[in-house]
Amino acid sequence: GAGVSQSPRYKVAKRGQDVALRCDPISGHVSLFWYQQALGQGPEFLTYFQNEAQLDKSGLPSDRFFAERPEGSVSTLKIQRTQQEDSAVYLCASSRSTGTSGEGEQYFGPGTRLTVT
Amino acid sequence: AQSVTQLDSHVSVSEGTPVLLRCNYSSSYSPSLFWYVQHPNKGLQLLLKYTSAATLVKGINGFEAEFKKSETSFHLTKPSAHMSDAAEYFCVVADYKLSFGAGTTVTVRA
Repeated sequence: GAGVSQSPRYKVAKRGQDVALRCDPISGHVSLFWYQQALGQGPEFLTYFQNEAQLDKSGLPSDRFFAERPEGSVSTLKIQRTQQEDSAVYLCASSRSTGTSGEGEQYFGPGTRLTVT
Repeated sequence: AQSVTQLDSHVSVSEGTPVLLRCNYSSSYSPSLFWYVQHPNKGLQLLLKYTSAATLVKGINGFEAEFKKSETSFHLTKPSAHMSDAAEYFCVVADYKLSFGAGTTVTVRA
């Protein structure tokens, strides 16, 4: 079956522009996660949805970052007034698990590489 | 808070020799631990996971890892490296979200 897809795969934005990154999770997966991976580093958690509810947004680096999942499937990560430090790969992952044990496998998309010039 | 520390930023091995990637974890309770691999320009792929069922965990592509509570370690091994093993490897601790280590870059010499 289809995996997690993300679009666009690459995005170049001028500093100050707004961007929207899309994630299509695996069908039926309840949980959806966004991570940010800076060059040469491990991914870092941004936010977590269970269905349409955003249960954890503690990793969002500033109020310029906003995520939504209005119908419990597709999710959009929006970054307003982009800055150079926002340049990174943004990864989306989905999981059928809703538990807190961490046992549920997260399936990752290919990521969106954002470059802010 | 849970965290992992990957002890080697870069490991270089010859094809056909063993690979050892070291990871220590910090957790106030029994953790769920994973190893993920990331090939260049490809997505993250799960290699294996530990969720308290067995301390020796076998994964894909001949990799395995051993959970040692006394040493708070979860090291990844493979008996014989292949050229296709060249990639970035991440040790991960999880509750519902994943906390990644900084990564270990593996290069394989012919």
